[in-house]
Amino acid sequence: IAGITQAPTSQILAAGRRMTLRCTQDMRHNAMYWYRQDLGLGLRLIHYSNTAGTTGKGEVPDGYSVSRANTDDFPLTLASAVPSQTSVYFCASSATGNTEAFFGQGTRLTVV
Amino acid sequence: DAKTTQPNSMESNEEEPVHLPCNHSTISGTDYIHWYRQLPSQGPEYVIHGLTSNVNNRMASLAIAEDRKSSTLILHRATLRDAAVYYCILRDLDYGGSQGNLIFGKGTKLSVKP
Repeated sequence: IAGITQAPTSQILAAGRRMTLRCTQDMRHNAMYWYRQDLGLGLRLIHYSNTAGTTGKGEVPDGYSVSRANTDDFPLTLASAVPSQTSVYFCASSATGNTEAFFGQGTRLTVV
Repeated sequence: DAKTTQPNSMESNEEEPVHLPCNHSTISGTDYIHWYRQLPSQGPEYVIHGLTSNVNNRMASLAIAEDRKSSTLILHRATLRDAAVYYCILRDLDYGGSQGNLIFGKGTKLSVKP
């Protein structure tokens, strides 16, 4: 089934550790996005990529990095996790900037 | 990014129509109006989008005011499964840089009563 896959589904991480959240799509979409969702704050854009080889900062990029080496994969890295990065993370993709976006099921990350 | 304003919450009865309003008075000529919804414990899902004309699909209808400063998402017969947070988002047609990004607001939490 075509779609967007995130891994892991959930993770408990010690503060200070490095963590990479994986996101893969098989729809050949150009654009990909990472969001975090916190209770009371809604969905906030962390980073985005309009096409392979390019990335951009969203609303809350600090403490996160991304790469887009190819069309299908868009990993999100926390270099040194802090408790405030405890959140649910959603990856999304769309063919262009103005077509339907597809979201993954999310990664629940707890930093302790 | 242009802003949207939605009511925090709405209630509906099952099998009745629901009209979810969205105000976007600062919309530009190149902004598409997108609607997404998020069911509990799931990622957001696309509902519908439009530019100027009203739009229909299997999930809903989108009615856009003539001046484009407001729009209404119409669920023709609400079901319990339609209980979700509905987001109205403006997305720039001139895709490039950050213009095409989906920036979510707080949305409208729709409750459906049996």
